[in-house]
Amino acid sequence: DTAVSQTPKYLVTQMGNDKSIKCEQNLGHDTMYWYKQDSKKFLKIMFSYNNKELIINETVPNRFSPKSPDKAHLNLHINSLELGDSAVYFCASSQGSAGANVLTFGAGSRLTVL
Amino acid sequence: KQEVTQIPAALSVPEGENLVLNCSFTDSAIYNLQWFRQDPGKGLTSLLLIQSSQREQTSGRLNASLDKSSGRSTLYIAASQPGDSATYLCAVRGSQGNLIFGKGTKLSVKP
Repeated sequence: DTAVSQTPKYLVTQMGNDKSIKCEQNLGHDTMYWYKQDSKKFLKIMFSYNNKELIINETVPNRFSPKSPDKAHLNLHINSLELGDSAVYFCASSQGSAGANVLTFGAGSRLTVL
Repeated sequence: KQEVTQIPAALSVPEGENLVLNCSFTDSAIYNLQWFRQDPGKGLTSLLLIQSSQREQTSGRLNASLDKSSGRSTLYIAASQPGDSATYLCAVRGSQGNLIFGKGTKLSVKP
């Protein structure tokens, strides 16, 4: 199946831990994104990478560090997890970083920090 | 700074009704506008994409319109069905390429 896939789908962890969420797309896209959907269901951009280069970095704590080993992967590592990091994190991809292209989203990774 | 607003926040209709969801945005300099559907606990499904040069797009019972100059879009759903129940999100694509989302309209279609 051609898709954007994220792992894990669910993640429950204690405050202070470090965790990673992985994202892979097999659509041949060159741009990938991380979005956060908070408890009020509001979706906001966190990061965007085009051909492994960071192009968008919104006001996100530096405990969040994205890593793009190649243009098909964009992983999100979070250090020293806090209660407020609990959210659903969505990965997305598109062909091109601007213009007319559709974003395709993954199914989301629900992070719960206890 | 671009802001996207969706009205109403929630809508409940009986099956078979036609309905309109509204989306407005503050900065008309957009590349495109996309409507998504999100089911509880699930990801986002793209429904319709309207380029900035287009006025509307249709897919089955869905029709989306775009009036860029006034910063408005509508999503029209004809002959609604219980399976249409979901949260509908409007998002505009700005110059940096990212999507800026509204908070969504939660639609409930009662049988």
